[in-house]
Amino acid sequence: DAGVIQSPRHEVTEMGQEVTLRCKPISGHDYLFWYRQTMMRGLELLIYFNNNVPIDDSGMPEDRFSAKMPNASFSTLKIQPSEPRDSAVYFCASSDQSGTEENTIYFGEGSWLTVV
Amino acid sequence: SQKIEQNSEALNIQEGKTATLTCNYTNYSPAYLQWYRQDPGRGPVFLLLIRENEKEKRKERLKVTFDTTLKQSLFHITASQPADSATYLCALPMYSGGGADGLTFGKGTHLIIQP
Repeated sequence: DAGVIQSPRHEVTEMGQEVTLRCKPISGHDYLFWYRQTMMRGLELLIYFNNNVPIDDSGMPEDRFSAKMPNASFSTLKIQPSEPRDSAVYFCASSDQSGTEENTIYFGEGSWLTVV
Repeated sequence: SQKIEQNSEALNIQEGKTATLTCNYTNYSPAYLQWYRQDPGRGPVFLLLIRENEKEKRKERLKVTFDTTLKQSLFHITASQPADSATYLCALPMYSGGGADGLTFGKGTHLIIQP
């Protein structure tokens, strides 16, 4: 399997612009997670889905952030409008909860976002 | 939710020695605890899981212990090598019960193995 695939790998955008990050989870995984990583706060869970349904979005910082999962193989995280403090690495991850892996999470390589 | 503490300072170890990293948590005792490795510019990669009823788990040169009384896990790398240099993250279920939830992560400890 190719693993979790994220795009773009790097994005530089101006404040106020819309940013869309994309993710393809590992085939057959029923959970999808969006994390954000910064030096100050480490890895923070933003939102996660189970079978394409959002389960917990309590980590989403503001209404400027939204996430969707229209099908089992695709998810987006959108920031509109973007602000400099949104600069971070955004990771998508997936897991197979139906097996015996007990919530082992497989991460993508991340999307490095810089808002100037 | 859980609060996790890992040594934020870099840990410098001479090649061949055993590196020991600490993970402390402050709230409920989790059903399991995981360790991940993260290399610069990459996503975290799962290494080991230890359950609450297990005292110790081993995988090749890695050993993890789990003390629910102390609310602490220790992560050991024996016969360390420069290739072991990375940031190591401790992770626990976000909520008690250890069910199908996201994981909460510590900020990680940066390990440097010097030749």
